[in-house]
Amino acid sequence: EAQVTQNPRYLITVTGKKLTVTCSQNMNHEYMSWYRQDPGLGLRQIYYSMNVEVTDKGDVPEGYKVSRKEKRNFPLILESPSPNQTSLYFCASSFNRGVEQYFGPGTRLTVT
Amino acid sequence: AQTVTQSQPEMSVQEAETVTLSCTYDTSESDYYLFWYKQPPSRQMILVIRQEAYKQQNATENRFSVNFQKAAKSFSLKISDSQLGDAAMYFCAYRSHDNYGQNFVFGPGTRLSVLP
Repeated sequence: EAQVTQNPRYLITVTGKKLTVTCSQNMNHEYMSWYRQDPGLGLRQIYYSMNVEVTDKGDVPEGYKVSRKEKRNFPLILESPSPNQTSLYFCASSFNRGVEQYFGPGTRLTVT
Repeated sequence: AQTVTQSQPEMSVQEAETVTLSCTYDTSESDYYLFWYKQPPSRQMILVIRQEAYKQQNATENRFSVNFQKAAKSFSLKISDSQLGDAAMYFCAYRSHDNYGQNFVFGPGTRLSVLP
């Protein structure tokens, strides 16, 4: 089954404790992206990658890191999480020239 | 940079009635894609319908149809014969045809309630 998976689905952590949210897709997509969803703001792009070892900032990259060492994986790293990073996070993928973007199930992160 | 606006934070409709959700966008590009996504309580993002800007014909998917007005930069979603399962958050989104890096720009969403 073609899908985008994210882990964990729920995470509660404390300020400053490094964490990684994993994202994996099995559709051989070149393009992968991370978004955060906040009430009244919709989804905002954090980082994106157009292929292996090619990443770039989206609209809200501060406090986040990403890496793309393999085509299928695109982890999101919060090296020192803060409460303002409490949000719902989505990973998505598509072909570079494709139209439709496929979303993962979301990760609910709470930073206390 | 492109922006997407949804001016209705919340809407409600009676079951079996028709409702229209509004979306406007701002862009200087001539070729692009527009989407409506549905997000039910499960939080999964589900593609409802999409429209290519170069196509004049409005897209339709079963009970869902759009009114695409390119000159006015308007892209509204009409849901006919509303069902309880249509209750969700709806997001309008824009994707550039050429600038793939910038990718999707989402509106803030409209929460739709369906009343029995």
